Amino acid sequence: QVQLQESGPGLVKPSQTLSLTCTVSGGSISRSIYYWSWIRQPAGKGLEWIGRISTSGSTNYNPSLKSRVTISLDTSRNQFSLMVDSVTAADTAVYYCARVLEATVMGWGQGTLVTVSS
Amino acid sequence: DIQMTQSPSSLSASVGGRATITCRASQSIGGRLNWYQQKPGKAPNLLIYGASSLQDGVPSRFSGSGFNTDFTLTISTLQPEDSATYYCQQSHSTPLTFGGGTKVEIK
Repeated sequence: QVQLQESGPGLVKPSQTLSLTCTVSGGSISRSIYYWSWIRQPAGKGLEWIGRISTSGSTNYNPSLKSRVTISLDTSRNQFSLMVDSVTAADTAVYYCARVLEATVMGWGQGTLVTVSS
Repeated sequence: DIQMTQSPSSLSASVGGRATITCRASQSIGGRLNWYQQKPGKAPNLLIYGASSLQDGVPSRFSGSGFNTDFTLTISTLQPEDSATYYCQQSHSTPLTFGGGTKVEIK
């Protein structure tokens, strides 16, 4: 049973960089059939796909965030990470890491709330 | 981007009743449509993939149908534990996009 767990600061100041890590357990992140994604959800609102990375390291990002987002993979630690630059209050959300098979989200982390505030 | 529009935004139905949620895509996506259930404070959970295939472990009272632009999630014989918000998601192309959600209340 593959499990995902997000970690990182819960509070980020405006204009700074949000950084989160997802640790994958119970399976190898290098298994090539999967993509590894980040999805976010502002309080009381819907789901927004941020982007994904393949096991070969190729990335796709949501154009709405593309210029500010970087997703990276660390196979040695079985982790993948998210960075969002120049955050504003609009980036306040629960952030989920996810395991994706052919664009279907097969597994989710429990989510972590990130608040952007001074 | 492919826009996904769900309706209704909320509904209320009785235990043992039936709930029907629709999802419309802004362009044809074939059968590339997934449904998720989300309970408060929890991550979403995959119910239906490929428009009509039931994910392992999901009760058979959940069913999905549709093709191209119009899709439906039906919950027959509603149970109290079906109280949740339901989201559709297109898996046709990136950026992956979700519907706005339908909150189901069980009376």
